[in-house]
Amino acid sequence: NAGVTQTPKFQVLKTGQSMTLQCAQDMNHEYMSWYRQDPGMGLRLIHYSVGAGITDQGEVPNGYNVSRSTTEDFPLRLLSAAPSQTSVYFCASSPTSGGADEQYFGPGTRLTVT
Amino acid sequence: GENVEQHPSTLSVQEGDSAVIKCTYSDSASNYFPWYKQELGKRPQLIIDIRSNVGEKKDQRIAVTLNKTAKHFSLHITETQPEDSAVYFCADIIMDSNYQLIWGAGTKLIIKP
Repeated sequence: NAGVTQTPKFQVLKTGQSMTLQCAQDMNHEYMSWYRQDPGMGLRLIHYSVGAGITDQGEVPNGYNVSRSTTEDFPLRLLSAAPSQTSVYFCASSPTSGGADEQYFGPGTRLTVT
Repeated sequence: GENVEQHPSTLSVQEGDSAVIKCTYSDSASNYFPWYKQELGKRPQLIIDIRSNVGEKKDQRIAVTLNKTAKHFSLHITETQPEDSAVYFCADIIMDSNYQLIWGAGTKLIIKP
């Protein structure tokens, strides 16, 4: 199993540009989520999904959209990039739909917005 | 909303000594409490977790204790080794309810040789 994969690993955007961060898992996990981690800070939940076709907002959803058309994929879309969105983005999946189980994190995407 | 406070933010211990990190939570309905370790430049990885029907759980040099009355849980690392140097995060969640893990701000653990 590849586990949780994320692409790209690094990305530089100009203010106002849009892009999609890709996340995929091959473990048939129901629960998937997106976090951002700012330098020296903890993890903040952006959006999550408890199964295909179901998404919901986390702590910091503004400026981001998600979709979950399949169990495997959970892309995160930045609508109009801002410097405040410079961060490391982690995707995670968990076998339990309620989220109360081990979170398997992807390797992260380091995003810089200039 | 739910809040998780983690202390200390930085902890420096001599190799071989014990380290203790504490988290307090606000929602008494929280019932799942994991601890994650994040090495520099890497992804967070689960090291131990505990559910609210258990007071303590051990895994070799690592243990977690839960005090539901006081609403806090702690990570204990004994016989610390250089590879224990990392940032440690606690979190909590109300199982099958709000579906959102709430995270502490992290503790940077430094093991001095």
